[in-house]
Amino acid sequence: KAGVTQTPRYLIKTRGQQVTLSCSPISGHRSVSWYQQTPGQGLQFLFEYFSETQRNKGNFPGRFSGRQFSNSRSEMNVSTLELGDSALYLCASSLAPRGADTEAFFGQGTRLTVV
Amino acid sequence: SQQGEEDPQALSIQEGENATMNCSYKTSINNLQWYRQNSGRGLVHLILIRSNEREKHSGRLRVTLDTSKKSSSLLITASRAADTASYFCATRPRDSNYQLIWGAGTKLIIKP
Repeated sequence: KAGVTQTPRYLIKTRGQQVTLSCSPISGHRSVSWYQQTPGQGLQFLFEYFSETQRNKGNFPGRFSGRQFSNSRSEMNVSTLELGDSALYLCASSLAPRGADTEAFFGQGTRLTVV
Repeated sequence: SQQGEEDPQALSIQEGENATMNCSYKTSINNLQWYRQNSGRGLVHLILIRSNEREKHSGRLRVTLDTSKKSSSLLITASRAADTASYFCATRPRDSNYQLIWGAGTKLIIKP
């Protein structure tokens, strides 16, 4: 069974640009969560989707958005990039509707650098 | 905001020794999970322990949970070089909107 796939693995963007990151969950998993990981703030929850509906949202500005498609693949978008958005963005999929109540499977992450 | 605090922040031991990491949290939880992360890569789930459980084992891993002290420990026995990684605890607070709240992690180095 293929694991969680995140693309691209690395990105370099300029301040003010926007970026879209993609996540393909494990086949059969309908719950997808996104996290931001930085050395200063650690792992922070961005949002969670289940069956194309956003179930949960972390404390991030509106520049961070996401969506989930009917095949459970998910994308997250960050608009008007700031230097502080440089981070490792991790996607996790799980079988249960509520990802926090069960084992989550993580992708390798997308490392975003904003210059 | 961080719910879990791992202790120690860093731990360096010889191969073959046991490693113990601790996690403390602030509010009542539904479950607590431990994950491992190798050098800036994705996280790997290790163990999930529910609030009504006190101890769980998985291979060389043993996790305990003390809800009265709001703390958990992860013990890795007979450590190997491949155990070198950062270890994170994540809690699902009982009154949360189903978010996992993560600690800052313990960086474990196993010396050959």
